[in-house]
Amino acid sequence: SQQGEEDPQALSIQEGENATMNCSYKTSINNLQWYRQNSGRGLVHLILIRSNEREKHSGRLRVTLDTSKKSSSLLITASRAADTASYFCATGQGAQKLVFGQGTRLTINP
Amino acid sequence: NAGVTQTPKFQVLKTGQSMTLQCAQDMNHNSMYWYRQDPGMGLRLIYYSASEGTTDKGEVPNGYNVSRLNKREFSLRLESAAPSQTSVYFCAFSMGLAGHTDTQYFGPGTRLTVL
Repeated sequence: SQQGEEDPQALSIQEGENATMNCSYKTSINNLQWYRQNSGRGLVHLILIRSNEREKHSGRLRVTLDTSKKSSSLLITASRAADTASYFCATGQGAQKLVFGQGTRLTINP
Repeated sequence: NAGVTQTPKFQVLKTGQSMTLQCAQDMNHNSMYWYRQDPGMGLRLIYYSASEGTTDKGEVPNGYNVSRLNKREFSLRLESAAPSQTSVYFCAFSMGLAGHTDTQYFGPGTRLTVL
C-alpha cells in the first residue's frame, strides 16, 4: 500500500494564482520529497525536506513539514501554464527506497 | 531525464511472451530502481538494487525478475507477460548513501501493453 496520500487529487486554477497541495503519510520518515511529472514523462525531483526541518523554499516553491501531524504541503506561488503537471510526494524511511503517493493533478488555466 | 536511458520506449506483447526492459545510468551511483505506474496512480516499486550485486523486492515484485548487470545497468524481465502488467515502467537511480533516502533520478519510461 502507498504511504502518501495527496489532497486534492485534482486542482484547477487560473494562471497567477497560488496552488497548494497536501500530503499525509503514516509512518515515521527521515525525509519527504516532492516530484513533478509532466504528461508522458518521467518524474523530476523538486525539493527534499528532512524530518528535522519545518519549511523549505526553492524559487516559487515552498514546502512545509509537520511531523506531529504526519503531513506536508507544497505551495507553488504565481502559477504559470508550464506548472501544469502531476505532483507527487514521496517519503523516505532511512533505506534507499521511497514510497510515493498517488499524486495531485494540477491544471493552470491561461 | 538526466543520466538514465531506458529501452525500449514502447512495446506490445501477447500474453505469455517474455521481454527484458533495459536501464542504464551514467552517473556511477549505487542504487537503482524499477517502478510501474498505472493510469492515474502513483509509482509502485517493483524491485530495487541498493548497490551493485544486491537486489531486493519492492511492493509489487510478482511476475518480474531483475538483474544488476554492473553498476550502470539494471534490467527488468517479464518471463510470461500478463494483461495486468500493462503499465508504464520507470527506471530510476540515486546516490545510495547508506542510511539515507536520496533524491531519485528517473528515466523517460517504457510503455508496455500486454494483449
